Amino acid sequence: NAGVTQTPKFQVLKTGQSMTLQCAQDMNHNSMYWYRQDPGMGLRLIYYSASEGTTDKGEVPNGYNVSRLNKREFSLRLESAAPSQTSVYFCASRERGTDTQYFGPGTRLTVL
Amino acid sequence: KQEVTQIPAALSVPEGENLVLNCSFTDSAIYNLQWFRQDPGKGLTSLLLIQSSQREQTSGRLNASLDKSSGRSTLYIAASQPGDSATYLCAVGRGSTLGRLYFGRGTQLTVWP
Repeated sequence: NAGVTQTPKFQVLKTGQSMTLQCAQDMNHNSMYWYRQDPGMGLRLIYYSASEGTTDKGEVPNGYNVSRLNKREFSLRLESAAPSQTSVYFCASRERGTDTQYFGPGTRLTVL
Repeated sequence: KQEVTQIPAALSVPEGENLVLNCSFTDSAIYNLQWFRQDPGKGLTSLLLIQSSQREQTSGRLNASLDKSSGRSTLYIAASQPGDSATYLCAVGRGSTLGRLYFGRGTQLTVWP
């Protein structure tokens, strides 16, 4: 039981490049979330998926797209990376009817 | 928009001290409040969750209280240890269906031997 896994752990991009951050959970949770954490800031919600087949915008969705591929996987895509997207990205999941979110280890992204 | 503030931003104490971390929020219409621990380079681990109808929760040396009407929560750590060194994050939940959380910036705690 690995919990929430994220790949890659680290990534460096040049401005304008695209990439997809992967997240998977093996707890059979319905809800999944993408957050970003900037230095000195709290975590901010980018997108979330309440269940398979649905996605919704959070606080800071601009510049990102998401795909809930199946119940296990929720990916975050940067179509044209910008330096302002340099951050640590966390994926989380939660079982419907419960309140605790389980977080992955994060992806540290640098955009030059 | 819900704003969550944590004070202090950083705290350094000798081992054995009892300490209090503070969290305040602007909108009292919350569903729950959670305290997380974050170790450097790691993800978040849930420590305590208080439902809006509850006043406090305890787990071992940790005790979290909630005063919804005043928009405040405290995390009390008894007999602190070097292993408690981490960043502690407070997060407010707005509803049960979507489970959205609003985070504070955290308190970075260092406990020295």
